[in-house]
Amino acid sequence: DTGVSQDPRHKITKRGQNVTFRCDPISEHNRLYWYRQTLGQGPEFLTYFQNEAQLEKSRLLSDRFSAERPKGSFSTLEIQRTEQGDSAMYLCASSLDGGPRTDTQYFGPGTRLTVL
Amino acid sequence: SQQGEEDPQALSIQEGENATMNCSYKTSINNLQWYRQNSGRGLVHLILIRSNEREKHSGRLRVTLDTSKKSSSLLITASRAADTASYFCATPNAGNNRKLIWGLGTSLAVNP
Repeated sequence: DTGVSQDPRHKITKRGQNVTFRCDPISEHNRLYWYRQTLGQGPEFLTYFQNEAQLEKSRLLSDRFSAERPKGSFSTLEIQRTEQGDSAMYLCASSLDGGPRTDTQYFGPGTRLTVL
Repeated sequence: SQQGEEDPQALSIQEGENATMNCSYKTSINNLQWYRQNSGRGLVHLILIRSNEREKHSGRLRVTLDTSKKSSSLLITASRAADTASYFCATPNAGNNRKLIWGLGTSLAVNP
């Protein structure tokens, strides 16, 4: 079990640039979640996938955000035309729906985005 | 949106002491989970307690759940400096997505 991995761990970008993050979930997990966390706060839900289908997007996810999970394996989260308010930790989590630990989500280390 | 609040927001204790953190939530739940987050890192699942359970143990962790008061507590016994972290409670959304709804967290500092 290699756990959930995320890449990059840190990203510094200038306002207006596009950024893309990658998440590799635990291999047999069919659900994948993206959350955003700002300093001193708990995570906030952004979107989730069941296999390759994106089934829900939070209203926090503006049109500048897009997420994909081709083939139901890894996922990417892209932010276009970044703004300073996008600065946050972006967390990815995966879970196995239907198993005995169906509600337990396993988190990656996160990608910390800083928009200058 | 946040599910509820953790109490206290910050806690500082000496190594060897016990630490108790509380969590309140707003809606009916199927289960409640506690996670730990070391500074600037990802979240680590600690323990899950189901709505029909009142108490659960895992090593030095003890979790209680009072569904009538919509509250839970996490007790860490014989704390160690390595327990220094933020602790969050989370509950899965009642819908099909099972997304986690989080509290604001308790920041625990264990001083050696």
